[in-house]
Amino acid sequence: AQSVTQLGSHVSVSEGALVLLRCNYSSSVPPYLFWYVQYPNQGLQLLLKYTSAATLVKGINGFEAEFKKSETSFHLTKPSAHMSDAAEYFCAVTPLIGCYNKMIFGAGTRLAVHP
Amino acid sequence: GAGVSQSPSNKVTEKGKDVELRCDPISGHTALYWYRQSLGQGLEFLIYFQGNSAPDKSGLPSDRFSAERTGGSVSTLTIQRTQQEDSAVYLCASSFSGREGAFFGQGTRLTVV
Repeated sequence: AQSVTQLGSHVSVSEGALVLLRCNYSSSVPPYLFWYVQYPNQGLQLLLKYTSAATLVKGINGFEAEFKKSETSFHLTKPSAHMSDAAEYFCAVTPLIGCYNKMIFGAGTRLAVHP
Repeated sequence: GAGVSQSPSNKVTEKGKDVELRCDPISGHTALYWYRQSLGQGLEFLIYFQGNSAPDKSGLPSDRFSAERTGGSVSTLTIQRTQQEDSAVYLCASSFSGREGAFFGQGTRLTVV
């Protein structure tokens, strides 16, 4: 069964500092991987996705993630945090099995950005 | 519509009552998902519909929960004999194939009193 682990339920950074949110997956074959963001009192919005075309994926708002098969990881980064990045971030995985594309989410990481 | 629509946006119900939550997916999307998000928690998978295939119900927490999807479009999540622990935000999402990512609705906040 597929699973997703997000290390660190809370991450706090200073404005302008590097953001690093960790995601590791468990799968027998590399799946499709996604990062979603949820701002307070809002729904989930897709940040970026890995679909095997390129290992370094760029998303919205300056975020990017790198797929590393050897480490079964898909960590999310942003070079310089902004106050508006404060939100909850979810990593998700869906398998590459025909038409079956159940999406499983990690527990989420709440990012706080302080001045 | 342009996005995934869920109704009602908020629902307060008495313990023991049944509730129905509705999801209108994006037109043409064959995959539809229901998740539950409790306060401060992640997304708990409930059920997944893919086209005309039998739904994956493996995430439904008890037999009080059921869902259906009529005509491959609108979906209804029903919770019978609601309990206080059912209080949460219920999120619906849809996608064309699942591989491009899913689009989420704003959710239904259910409060059982």
